Amino acid sequence: DSGVTQTPKHLITATGQRVTLRCSPRSGDLSVYWYQQSLDQGLQFLIQYYNGEERAKGNILERFSAQQFPDLHSELNLSSLELGDSALYFCASSAAGQAGGETQYFGPGTRLLVL
Amino acid sequence: GESVGLHLPTLSVQEGDNSIINCAYSNSASDYFIWYKQESGKGPQFIIDIRSNMDKRQGQRVTVLLNKTVKHLSLQIAATQPGDSAVYFCAENKKNYGQNFVFGPGTRLSVLP
Repeated sequence: DSGVTQTPKHLITATGQRVTLRCSPRSGDLSVYWYQQSLDQGLQFLIQYYNGEERAKGNILERFSAQQFPDLHSELNLSSLELGDSALYFCASSAAGQAGGETQYFGPGTRLLVL
Repeated sequence: GESVGLHLPTLSVQEGDNSIINCAYSNSASDYFIWYKQESGKGPQFIIDIRSNMDKRQGQRVTVLLNKTVKHLSLQIAATQPGDSAVYFCAENKKNYGQNFVFGPGTRLSVLP
């Protein structure tokens, strides 16, 4: 158990809908990262938050957004969902996330299925 | 169910043998590398890391080797066990990219009884 929790575990929704995925980092970790894992794309970095502020952006679509709250939990919002958004979404956390070279610990993921 | 790509390179080893999983990385400026293990239906799990100022690092039953000349990383698992069956990813942290890790496509390790 990495100490990172994610809810829900599974999510089934329809195209055009909006969903929110939630992540709680390990106790004491200030950085949260979101990743998408699909069958054909592998693990893709989406976005990083550090202590409530956006720190880095990866391959995140404009239809997606995230935030990190004062208690350091984070939410990933996916809107106008398309079939291709079906994937596993992972959250990871690290202690500081200000400099490179810091281990990230992953949560169990949310499996999203868009029908 | 499957959580990663169906067409990954696969390494099959006999239980008790040693396994070597290889990874080529892309950026010569990368200075930190991690190996992750992902079992079906679970998130990636940290195994071992290495910084670019090292060539080798050992953990419990695992060793990571880094060859910066050819930009190659390998994970050696000693006395492979059925519980080692999983997909293994290498990840590189590109210098000046902050915490952005780039993950390799993964290798599926299958341990035969």
